[in-house]
Amino acid sequence: EVQLLESGGGLVQPGGSLRLSCAASGFTFSNYAMTWVRQAPGKGLEWVSAINNGGGSAYYADSVKGRFTISRDNSKNILYLQMNNLRAEDTALYYCAKDVIAVAAQFDSWGQGTLVTVSS
Amino acid sequence: EIVLTQSPATLSLSPGDRATLSCRASQSVRIFLTWYQHKPGQSPRLLIYDASNRATGIPARFSGGGSGTDFTLTISSLEPEDFAVYYCLQRSEWPWTFGQGTKVEIK
Repeated sequence: EVQLLESGGGLVQPGGSLRLSCAASGFTFSNYAMTWVRQAPGKGLEWVSAINNGGGSAYYADSVKGRFTISRDNSKNILYLQMNNLRAEDTALYYCAKDVIAVAAQFDSWGQGTLVTVSS
Repeated sequence: EIVLTQSPATLSLSPGDRATLSCRASQSVRIFLTWYQHKPGQSPRLLIYDASNRATGIPARFSGGGSGTDFTLTISSLEPEDFAVYYCLQRSEWPWTFGQGTKVEIK
């Protein structure tokens, strides 16, 4: 059974940093692209970032480009999202999701999310 | 970036009704459009990929259509578990973008 478990969320001040993790199990992690999607309180889904299976290609939403970095450790089956220079508008529930083998926006498994709150 | 506009914002229907949801793109996304269902307190669920292909395990009452800039998600006969928010997502160009969602609520 595919399992994705996010962690690392919490309360951070504007301008601060946070690193989210997503521990994967139940599938061959290194074979699949992964993505981060967020949902701000009372708002819709927003795609944040994606990475291919090998980690060599990364993609970002305009709203986070230059501030967030996606990465993965295929030896540990963990996906990361390093978030720097956080803003109030980054407050959201952050989901990691497994794509099909390619980077294809077919997120067939999702975690339960980790909450990030940016506030002073 | 490509903007996806979903309509209507809210659809009030009864179980057994047919639901037709629209997603319009600001420029052509070819067939590279995906639909997700999202219920409160749950993670989103993949329904349709590449405009018209049902994902594994998705009931046949869900169907998708369209290409270019205009897409539809149809639920032929609403079941109680189908009341949720539905999002479209384009993967034609980076950055990927979601529509703002259509809430299907019980009338």
